[in-house]
Amino acid sequence: SQQGEEDPQALSIQEGENATMNCSYKTSINNLQWYRQNSGRGLVHLILIRSNEREKHSGRLRVTLDTSKKSSSLLITASRAADTASYFCATVWNSGNTPLVFGKGTRLSVIA
Amino acid sequence: EAQVTQNPRYLITVTGKKLTVTCSQNMNHEYMSWYRQDPGLGLRQIYYSMNVEVTDKGDVPEGYKVSRKEKRNFPLILESPSPNQTSLYFCASSPRSTSGNNEQFFGPGTRLTVL
Repeated sequence: SQQGEEDPQALSIQEGENATMNCSYKTSINNLQWYRQNSGRGLVHLILIRSNEREKHSGRLRVTLDTSKKSSSLLITASRAADTASYFCATVWNSGNTPLVFGKGTRLSVIA
Repeated sequence: EAQVTQNPRYLITVTGKKLTVTCSQNMNHEYMSWYRQDPGLGLRQIYYSMNVEVTDKGDVPEGYKVSRKEKRNFPLILESPSPNQTSLYFCASSPRSTSGNNEQFFGPGTRLTVL
């Protein structure tokens, strides 16, 4: 399996702090995506970054991609209690029309 | 409203009793997929379909069947469920694009317990 791996597995921070999650993968990718999952619910797409991009922003989210290190990071700034969820990275292999491969996720707890 | 629906949302059954979990999307997506989610293992793909009448195995296809007779529906069939298939199941769909934009839209999940 070419599953990506998130790090850390769990993260607990205070409201207002920034949260950083990392993802490493093994193969050459077409793009990398981050998803969020509230407990027991379906995943929601957050942001997609292509292999030729290095950084992308969406609201309080910032994603970076380093293809030389085969890694990505998701930064959530000024976290809120409502950000408490699991976050997954998912990769699309280089051919671009292959299934999404998910990591095991980072469980983020934001304490009010 | 654009969405992926799954039914049932919760199911408790017994070993060996055939069951089907339905999945339907109203976004005219070509790509559909089934995942199972287990504690500590993340999401693992069971089967996926790139288009009507085209299905392929994912990482954990054993014990499952799928069909894609029409674009909007992608049912997951467990011919003879076993307790190790107790899990949370998600269906997802995605517009297939040559640009490689494979953002997936997920259903709400089906929690299956096999006794």
